[in-house]
Amino acid sequence: DIVMTQTPLSSPVTLGQPASISCRSSQSLVSGDGNTYLNWLHQRPGQPPRLLIYQISNRFSGVPDRFSGSGAGTDFTLKISRVEAEDVGVYYCMQATQFLTFGGGTKVEIK
Amino acid sequence: EVQLVESGGGLVKPGGSLRLSCAASGFTVSNAWMSWVRQAPGKGLEWVGRIKTKNEGGTTDYAAPVKGRFTISRDDSKNTLYLQMTSLNTEDTAVYYCTIGVGSSDVDYWGQGTLVTVSS
Repeated sequence: DIVMTQTPLSSPVTLGQPASISCRSSQSLVSGDGNTYLNWLHQRPGQPPRLLIYQISNRFSGVPDRFSGSGAGTDFTLKISRVEAEDVGVYYCMQATQFLTFGGGTKVEIK
Repeated sequence: EVQLVESGGGLVKPGGSLRLSCAASGFTVSNAWMSWVRQAPGKGLEWVGRIKTKNEGGTTDYAAPVKGRFTISRDDSKNTLYLQMTSLNTEDTAVYYCTIGVGSSDVDYWGQGTLVTVSS
């Protein structure tokens, strides 16, 4: 099974400042078709998760452009250019190259 | 607009069974990969299993902890996904979400979830 490891576990941020979350997979997420199925999800308290980023860097419909994803192979990053109050919650990386597995989550909270 | 509505959760005793439903609208379930993902109280996300499109034979895959106990199926006439759960144990206590992939990823949209509590 592919193991997904996120850092940090928690990220206190100041409104308007940037935030960054890292995700590492236990093996390469490059699929046989050449695509890398690495997604980022956001879960607000009491809400279901929602898709933010798919295939490393593509923003899903309706996702603000302050969210960006990057990386390759086994190392990936989610960046929020300027954190807004609605961005609090838990962020998960997720791979779908070999079935589906999720990172443990990173809690983003406002300082 | 794609919407998913889960139902069927509740309290069940260890060793019992339960069937969850996920009614979809805005997309034809037989044309999508659909998954069940669960979240134990205060914990992270755990993939349960998935079903592929009708054209791909409706093949199912399951996570190791539920293989042989859980079964994913689909009723195309009702546009509904199911999760049949048997031999439930306390570790199966979680909110169960259904998800659908409609072109971007395996998990483009999520339902609100339904809580399953396994307790004596």
